[in-house]
Amino acid sequence: AISMTQSPSLLSASTGDRVTITCRMSQGINRDLAWYRQKPGKAPELLISGTSTLQSGVPSRFSGSGSGTDFSLTISSLQSEDFATYYCQQYYSFPHTFGQGTKLEI
Amino acid sequence: QLQLQESGPGLVKPSETLSLTCTVSGVSITSDDYFWAWVRQPPGKGLDWIGSIHYFGSTYYNPSLKSRVAISVDTSRNQVSLKLNSVTAADTAVYYCARQTYDFLVPFDYWGQGTLVTVSS
Repeated sequence: AISMTQSPSLLSASTGDRVTITCRMSQGINRDLAWYRQKPGKAPELLISGTSTLQSGVPSRFSGSGSGTDFSLTISSLQSEDFATYYCQQYYSFPHTFGQGTKLEI
Repeated sequence: QLQLQESGPGLVKPSETLSLTCTVSGVSITSDDYFWAWVRQPPGKGLDWIGSIHYFGSTYYNPSLKSRVAISVDTSRNQVSLKLNSVTAADTAVYYCARQTYDFLVPFDYWGQGTLVTVSS
């Protein structure tokens, strides 16, 4: 299985800040990477697929980039609803695997 | 509007079988376009994919759970079911039902709210 190292595990920031979360794969996955946001007590929601394609309704302050083994999620100007936990997920190969998560706190 | 609703016992004894149901509304699970998946999350921890199924019969299981898990569909009730046998405390988690569109090797684009299952005597 492809293993993933997501960093940082905890990120402290303020409203309006620009932040970046990274995900490194144990092997190349082309661009088959997704990002999810999980608010406390809620299910994850898909933000980005294919490394950089925003899902319908996702604000443009979210962006994704990368290829091969190194990927990142950037939030350009944090809003209150963005303080949550973020997960990357590779779907290049079986089995699906997720990063360990990044908790974004105020 | 698509809705996924997980249901089942919130408490299961060690060594017994965990059984959950995901009731899908707003779309037919017999659509060729979708796979239906189960993902779990132990308290305070990350996400683990359990398995996925297409109504026509294709199933995929996480190798780490394959010997203990079975996913099936009930087309008459538009439901997806999960059975996990020989459970231990390590199986305590929130269990989510999720959808995948068009293929198995794609993200999970819609999720249920999840249901907490505790394994304890």
